[in-house]
Amino acid sequence: RKEVEQDPGPFNVPEGATVAFNCTYSNSASQSFFWYRQDCRKEPKLLMSVYSSGNEDGRFTAQLNRASQYISLLIRDSKLSDSATYLCAARGSSYKLIFGSGTRLLVRP
Amino acid sequence: NAGVTQTPKFRVLKTGQSMTLLCAQDMNHEYMYWYRQDPGMGLRLIHYSVGEGTTAKGEVPDGYNVSRLKKQNFLLGLESAAPSQTSVYFCASSGEESGYTFGSGTRLTVV
Repeated sequence: RKEVEQDPGPFNVPEGATVAFNCTYSNSASQSFFWYRQDCRKEPKLLMSVYSSGNEDGRFTAQLNRASQYISLLIRDSKLSDSATYLCAARGSSYKLIFGSGTRLLVRP
Repeated sequence: NAGVTQTPKFRVLKTGQSMTLLCAQDMNHEYMYWYRQDPGMGLRLIHYSVGEGTTAKGEVPDGYNVSRLKKQNFLLGLESAAPSQTSVYFCASSGEESGYTFGSGTRLTVV
């Protein structure tokens, strides 16, 4: 079993839709969590950190459920420019980030 | 502010050749990492460093060596390249509580 798992998608949604991704992690000692966005043939870029109390940044909301060991990302009012692959990551010991394989989002006109 | 810079951006190697990938960061980060990314496999950690002069193995270290002689630089070496090492290589750095900052990647093809 992978330490961090994501549904690979693709999620194909119309502009304006709300879409949610989940990501599960197996290491209960994981301390910090992040969502990254990766465009085709580009490097991953930090989208947002995930705090225990939840985190909102504009149209994006991230939440952490430690009891069930998953994190989520909600995107409201999807834009064409949101089309990308979204990677979740969990940090355990030694400050290493373990990444999921990514969820691909396609937003259509 | 350059952030994390990787060189080269592209490289084609013949099987058995060696090469070194350079990663440089100007954010005074303690931690640096090398990942490879393959289709369907996500990002896999090769080696990492928690400070100048220290290195440690990640998930897929075989066939690679690293050095961190200076805090700002983290070098990844391939001693004898194999076709299985064809991949996109990303370097990243971080502080204690921050997420990673990635370099733009090196696309390596081994023929």
